[in-house]
Amino acid sequence: GEDVEQSLFLSVREGDSSVINCTYTDSSSTYLYWYKQEPGAGLQLLTYIFSNMDMKQDQRLTVLLNKKDKHLSLRIADTQTGDSAIYFCAEYDNFNKFYFGSGTKLNVKP
Amino acid sequence: NAGVTQTPKFRVLKTGQSMTLLCAQDMNHEYMYWYRQDPGMGLRLIHYSVGEGTTAKGEVPDGYNVSRLKKQNFLLGLESAAPSQTSVYFCASKGLGNQPQHFGDGTRLSIL
Repeated sequence: GEDVEQSLFLSVREGDSSVINCTYTDSSSTYLYWYKQEPGAGLQLLTYIFSNMDMKQDQRLTVLLNKKDKHLSLRIADTQTGDSAIYFCAEYDNFNKFYFGSGTKLNVKP
Repeated sequence: NAGVTQTPKFRVLKTGQSMTLLCAQDMNHEYMYWYRQDPGMGLRLIHYSVGEGTTAKGEVPDGYNVSRLKKQNFLLGLESAAPSQTSVYFCASKGLGNQPQHFGDGTRLSIL
């Protein structure tokens, strides 16, 4: 299967920006996704980016894609305590399957 | 506005017992998926279905069976539960093309 990697933890102060990084292996992936998981809940889609785009912005969220390096990042501006959660990146293999990273736990300190 | 519904939400089993987890979606999605989530390992695909009456193996299918008799339902069965199957199980569905997956809230299963 595909290999999607993320760092396990990130800690930031409220009001700072958070940057969560992800690397993937399948260069033919057409879509890459970011999901948020709060404690005891399922995964909630945050945003996604098509592989022919370099950047996508959606309110406080900015996704950057470096297709050459197979690197994806999620920037959260003005991070709030409510942003504390686990964030997963995922790639779609064009054959109806998704591959998830192990998740990055974001801790936002007041 | 139900989306993807999983039942039960929690269950404790003894080793060797069997059970079925139910996933139901009301979005008329073609594709449905079962994942397990273990600490530090993200989500791993158990089985999936590309339409009513079809199933396929994912990354970790051993010890599980699935059925998709109706388009809206995807059942995950454990015939003889083992402690290694203690996990949180998530169901997801998606529509045609590059649509994102929609997830249920999970079933927390403990096997003693």
